[in-house]
Amino acid sequence: NAGVTQTPKFRVLKTGQSMTLLCAQDMNHEYMYWYRQDPGMGLRLIHYSVGEGTTAKGEVPDGYNVSRLKKQNFLLGLESAAPSQTSVYFCASRLVTSGGRSYNEQFFGPGTRLTVL
Amino acid sequence: RKEVEQDPGPFNVPEGATVAFNCTYSNSASQSFFWYRQDCRKEPKLLMSVYSSGNEDGRFTAQLNRASQYISLLIRDSKLSDSATYLCVVNPQAGNNRKLIWGLGTSLAVNP
Repeated sequence: NAGVTQTPKFRVLKTGQSMTLLCAQDMNHEYMYWYRQDPGMGLRLIHYSVGEGTTAKGEVPDGYNVSRLKKQNFLLGLESAAPSQTSVYFCASRLVTSGGRSYNEQFFGPGTRLTVL
Repeated sequence: RKEVEQDPGPFNVPEGATVAFNCTYSNSASQSFFWYRQDCRKEPKLLMSVYSSGNEDGRFTAQLNRASQYISLLIRDSKLSDSATYLCVVNPQAGNNRKLIWGLGTSLAVNP
């Protein structure tokens, strides 16, 4: 299993440009998350999804949109990039339940380092 | 008061030392707690879950003190490979960790 993968690994954008970050997981996990991590701020939840076709706002959703058309993929879109969105973006997934047992561990992708000039 | 607070360190210890980190949380109703490990420029990975009275996994022991609202992580016989940032994570809602609260992390450097 590849686990959680993210593309691209690095990206530089100009202010106002748009882009989509792709997260894919091959573990059949129900929940998926998008976080950003900034120095001195810790991990902050942008959006999350509890299943195919569903999304919800996290702590810092403004300026981002997400879609989960397929269970294994969770896309994060930046509509009009701003320098404040320079960050490291992590995607994570969680199994939730299997065989009557609850699972809490979140598995993370390797991250995307985004710079907005 | 921040929801989850950790001493950022860095903690510099020699190999073989025992080191302990504390993490305090503000929401007394918080239900479950975790320690994640994050290596430099890598993704976080679950180290241990902490439930009720805590648990032990090899050289690592995590404990919960609900009365004082803190959790701790004890590392015995430190290895060079233990050098990393340790993130304290709190689930504020029972049966739901959709919105975990992440600490800023404590940096540990184990020296030869």
